[in-house]
Amino acid sequence: GDSVTQMEGPVTLSEEAFLTINCTYTATGYPSLFWYVQYPGEGLQLLLKATKADDKGSNKGFEATYRKETTSFHLEKGSVQVSDSAVYFCALSDGTGFQKLVFGTGTRLLVSP
Amino acid sequence: NAGVTQTPKFQVLKTGQSMTLQCAQDMNHNSMYWYRQDPGMGLRLIYYSASEGTTDKGEVPNGYNVSRLNKREFSLRLESAAPSQTSVYFCASTRTATNEKLFFGSGTQLSVL
Repeated sequence: GDSVTQMEGPVTLSEEAFLTINCTYTATGYPSLFWYVQYPGEGLQLLLKATKADDKGSNKGFEATYRKETTSFHLEKGSVQVSDSAVYFCALSDGTGFQKLVFGTGTRLLVSP
Repeated sequence: NAGVTQTPKFQVLKTGQSMTLQCAQDMNHNSMYWYRQDPGMGLRLIYYSASEGTTDKGEVPNGYNVSRLNKREFSLRLESAAPSQTSVYFCASTRTATNEKLFFGSGTQLSVL
């Protein structure tokens, strides 16, 4: 079945460092891809999405590009802030119905001043 | 804006006890979902309700029941709690079943002793 694999965390960075969180997927069709973020004590929030190959999703300085040839959707940010400390989840949907949204295991990001 | 509200935030149960987790949304969304979040396993779908009056099993429904009380409310019941049900439970909603932007509540941390 469909699956999402994320890099193990925690990822520990200093403020203003460059961030990459790797995400690869396995899917039989043409999925939509998502990044969700969970801040401490809160539920998940949609951060960005891409619905087809070569699409780039972006929001709050974060970007991710849908790479069909490498089945990847890596999350990047040029300069992280302490407020970006959170858990980041990569997810996919086959587009036929939300009930088929599949989440990765999450990657915790810790940013120090 | 309240969004998705879950109660309680924390609960400790003894094995065999029953309880109901409550969820309500004020965004006039049609579809609602219950997920559980376990360390190293990401989020897994327990049950969902595509629209008022319908409910369907997700990936891990065993040991749970749900009720879509009305368009706003979707409850999750544990009839006889087991230690394997120790988890963080999230309720979520979307405008429609094929709309993939989830809005999450802040979660219920449940411990079964």
